[in-house]
Amino acid sequence: GEDVEQSLFLSVREGDSSVINCTYTDSSSTYLYWYKQEPGAGLQLLTYIFSNMDMKQDQRLTVLLNKKDKHLSLRIADTQTGDSAIYFCAGGYNKLIFGAGTRLAVHP
Amino acid sequence: DAGVTQSPTHLIKTRGQQVTLRCSPKSGHDTVSWYQQALGQGPQFIFQYYEEEERQRGNFPDRFSGHQFPNYSSELNVNALLLGDSALYLCASNRGVAGNTIYFGEGSWLTVV
Repeated sequence: GEDVEQSLFLSVREGDSSVINCTYTDSSSTYLYWYKQEPGAGLQLLTYIFSNMDMKQDQRLTVLLNKKDKHLSLRIADTQTGDSAIYFCAGGYNKLIFGAGTRLAVHP
Repeated sequence: DAGVTQSPTHLIKTRGQQVTLRCSPKSGHDTVSWYQQALGQGPQFIFQYYEEEERQRGNFPDRFSGHQFPNYSSELNVNALLLGDSALYLCASNRGVAGNTIYFGEGSWLTVV
């Protein structure tokens, strides 16, 4: 069935780049999404990429999509303490399938 | 431009009771979906409403039901609450049945005791 997998934890130093990876099985996804969730909050749409694109850049965020390998990544440049949160990748056609989330910890 | 709004933000119910959660979609959106997020997990799709009809449903029992109103707002109802229904319930909206950018609200935290 449909599945999305993410690594569970990533620790980076403030100012470094963070790369969060995701693999998915559903090829029918029109868009692939990255959401951010801070403690006790809902999901904040960070960015998304259309399925026929390879890359999308949005300020500090870069999304790379490898359709052949069904691999999606999110790179955060100049990571700050305010970026500490759980990051979810999600894909699907009219319902989203989410990964378990990657907890990003940013330390000084 | 108001985003997706949900109410209430927090509520506590007793096992066996019924609960209704409410959602107003982002301006310009006509499709509403509901998700359940248990602690430490990713959100799970419950169902989607478009043109006041349930269009797709995830793997949730019939105790979970919903409704969409002519103004596109939506309700999620859960009957005969179980302890395992304790979760964050998220509403999402987008334009059209499929595709297009999907936005989420802040969620309703439900605790069943």
